[in-house]
Amino acid sequence: KQEVTQIPAALSVPEGENLVLNCSFTDSAIYNLQWFRQDPGKGLTSLLLIQSSQREQTSGRLNASLDKSSGRSTLYIAASQPGDSATYLCAVIVYDMRFGAGTRLTVKP
Amino acid sequence: DAGVIQSPRHEVTEMGQEVTLRCKPISGHDYLFWYRQTMMRGLELLIYFNNNVPIDDSGMPEDRFSAKMPNASFSTLKIQPSEPRDSAVYFCASRQGTNTEAFFGQGTRLTVV
Repeated sequence: KQEVTQIPAALSVPEGENLVLNCSFTDSAIYNLQWFRQDPGKGLTSLLLIQSSQREQTSGRLNASLDKSSGRSTLYIAASQPGDSATYLCAVIVYDMRFGAGTRLTVKP
Repeated sequence: DAGVIQSPRHEVTEMGQEVTLRCKPISGHDYLFWYRQTMMRGLELLIYFNNNVPIDDSGMPEDRFSAKMPNASFSTLKIQPSEPRDSAVYFCASRQGTNTEAFFGQGTRLTVV
């Protein structure tokens, strides 16, 4: 059974810092990986989808990488802002989607 | 498209009552997922459908839970009878194929008292 782990569970940084969130999974036979953010009391918002044939995907200040062989993905956030404060979740995709527990990010002004 | 639409947004019910949650996926999406989110267990996959057919319901916690997808634009998750431990936020998500993004609804916050 696929196990998805996200480290750290929580992270607090001052505004302007660059940061990395980690996602690891136990079964490398995945199709894709998707990163989401979730604001308190809200649904999940898609950030990036990395297909298995890709190693990297970028959207604005966000860059996500995928290394299937090692079972790892990272989400890099450049020049963090208070508006980035949220919980970030990764989902590994075969036909279904399995989620990690998330990283709760706080960016302090 | 208006995105994935869930109703109701909030539901408060008494223990033992039947609860029905509804989901309208994005038009053209052939995968539909039901998740439950709690502080203790995070996001749990309950069941997913492909082309209206249930593919994997191994995450459905008990026989009290059932899900249907009578057509491509509508799905329901039913709990009968409901119990206080069913209190959670229930999310529906949809996706087209396996190589595109999945999109989530805003969720239904269920409270069973």
